[in-house]
Amino acid sequence: EVQLVESGGGLVQPGGSLRLSCAASGFTLSTYNMNWVRQAPGKGLEWLSYISGSGSTKYYADSVKGRITISRDNAKNSLYLQMNSLRADDTAVYYCARDPDTAVLRMYFDYWGLGTLVTVSS
Amino acid sequence: SYELTQPPSVSVSPGQTASITCSGDKLGNKYTCWYQQRPGQSPVLVIYHDIKRPSGIPERFSGSNSGNTATLTISGTQAMDEADYYCQAWDSSTVVFGGGTKLTVL
Repeated sequence: EVQLVESGGGLVQPGGSLRLSCAASGFTLSTYNMNWVRQAPGKGLEWLSYISGSGSTKYYADSVKGRITISRDNAKNSLYLQMNSLRADDTAVYYCARDPDTAVLRMYFDYWGLGTLVTVSS
Repeated sequence: SYELTQPPSVSVSPGQTASITCSGDKLGNKYTCWYQQRPGQSPVLVIYHDIKRPSGIPERFSGSNSGNTATLTISGTQAMDEADYYCQAWDSSTVVFGGGTKLTVL
């Protein structure tokens, strides 16, 4: 059974940093492109970042570019999101999501984790 | 930047057909997918590649995409279909989500 389990969320002060993790099981992580998506309370979905299966290609949303870094460790079946200079409007549930398509033009997310809540507040 | 526009809300009576639209410039030239999100839950893929249904998604869910508009159609809508629905596409190295549509079954 495919499972994605995010962790690392919590309360952080403005300007602080946080590293989110996504543990994958039930499939071979290295053969899938992965993404991070967030959802602020009561708001819609916002895509943050993409990383190819090998880790060689990365994309970022303009809204967070320069403040976040996506990475992966296929040997550990894990995906990461390093977030810096956090602001109140970064408060959201952060999801990792699997992309089963090899072409970004056809990107879609067939499995999502349950999410981890990040709260940025003093 | 590319934008996808959805109506904030759609209402439908049980057993009737619900249509949720997603508009974007030349959207018909891109692949579109749709997600269902019930309160407190993670999104679930219901349509991908414009018209394909993942395994386990009921046949009452269908999709289309032409011109500037993609449409998610739910035939014979059931109370359990009440949820938020999001369209999504890819443009210029960016994933774009629509703002979401709240489907009310009443």
